[in-house]
Amino acid sequence: DTGVSQDPRHKITKRGQNVTFRCDPISEHNRLYWYRQTLGQGPEFLTYFQNEAQLEKSRLLSDRFSAERPKGSFSTLEIQRTEQGDSAMYLCASSSPGGTTDTQYFGPGTRLTVL
Amino acid sequence: EDQVTQSPEALRLQEGESSSLNCSYTVSGLRGLFWYRQDPGKGPEFLFTLYSAGEEKEKERLKATLTKKESFLHITAPKPEDSATYLCAVQARSSGSARQLTFGSGTQLTVLP
Repeated sequence: DTGVSQDPRHKITKRGQNVTFRCDPISEHNRLYWYRQTLGQGPEFLTYFQNEAQLEKSRLLSDRFSAERPKGSFSTLEIQRTEQGDSAMYLCASSSPGGTTDTQYFGPGTRLTVL
Repeated sequence: EDQVTQSPEALRLQEGESSSLNCSYTVSGLRGLFWYRQDPGKGPEFLFTLYSAGEEKEKERLKATLTKKESFLHITAPKPEDSATYLCAVQARSSGSARQLTFGSGTQLTVLP
């Protein structure tokens, strides 16, 4: 169990550019989540995958955001035409269903700065 | 709408000075309440899950308790390495298959040597 990994850890981009982040969940975890965290706030849910299917999307996920999880393994989050308001920490979490709840384990995050 | 409020926003303690962090929640049917620790620039690290009122869990100097409206994270004789932001989150029965977490804003704990 090597934990959730995310790449890159930091990304600086100019307004209007596209960016893509990658998340590798804990192996055998079929649930994968993306959250966004701004300074001084807790993480906010963006979207959820069960295996390769994207089953839930928050209203925070505007049309400029798209996420994929091909083959039910790693996931990518793409932001098109970035805006300064997109600057945040993007967190990925994974879990394995068990019992009445399932604990989500988070990766180290990708810090996005939009200039 | 599910809501989580944490207090205080920031807490400074002397090493060895015990205290408690509060997490008040409003949720349409609680599936689970989670505590995480987050160090600067890192992702949240899982600490505890509580499922029902009256439940308690302990780990080293930390003890989490749960009532029907709030949860407390008690820190006994803290050390400087306990300095971090502590996040509380709820998982609602209404979240369906996604089971996404709703987080509070956290309590930033500083333990001075």
